[in-house]
Amino acid sequence: DVKVTQSSRYLVKRTGEKVFLECVQDMDHENMFWYRQDPGLGLRLIYFSYDVKMKEKGDIPEGYSVSREKKERFSLILESASTNQTSMYLCASKFSGGSNQPQHFGDGTRLSIL
Amino acid sequence: GENVEQHPSTLSVQEGDSAVIKCTYSDSASNYFPWYKQELGKRPQLIIDIRSNVGEKKDQRIAVTLNKTAKHFSLHITETQPEDSAVYFCAASLYTGFQKLVFGTGTRLLVSP
Repeated sequence: DVKVTQSSRYLVKRTGEKVFLECVQDMDHENMFWYRQDPGLGLRLIYFSYDVKMKEKGDIPEGYSVSREKKERFSLILESASTNQTSMYLCASKFSGGSNQPQHFGDGTRLSIL
Repeated sequence: GENVEQHPSTLSVQEGDSAVIKCTYSDSASNYFPWYKQELGKRPQLIIDIRSNVGEKKDQRIAVTLNKTAKHFSLHITETQPEDSAVYFCAASLYTGFQKLVFGTGTRLLVSP
């Protein structure tokens, strides 16, 4: 069974801090994704990576960056956290072979910026 | 870019009834349409998907229909059960080597015994 693990379920940080959210998958998936989930807005794509060291902006990349140094790990970085980045963050991974491969999600990190 | 609208935002049914959730998309080039189910406090999980070259797909009690002309697709759940209670998300994607999904805003389905 695919395992996508996010390092923290709950995280509280202060405005202006640099925040790292970590995601690790154990299925040798090429593609990895970071979403944020907000009530009434669904899931919105922040960044994705189709392979090691490759990254692409999603629909809401402002204020975020990512790092993919190893295939199994995809990190989301909030360069200077702000209160409007309080949200649920979901990581997902997917095998690259074909459009009908499902994205497998982690349990999410609920991030609060005070 | 792609935009996906989903309705209704909440849906309450009695156990055994059918439930229908509808989504519309804006980009006629989109060719992949998955549905994800998210139970309370849990991760989203794929329950069914459809490609643009297919009009309907069924898997036991769930089915998805796609109307490319009207740019809408729907999730149908028959004989609903309390364990179907969850938030359901539709999504659309133009697959060009990697899958960039645009999600709808979600439908909270409540199935009462």
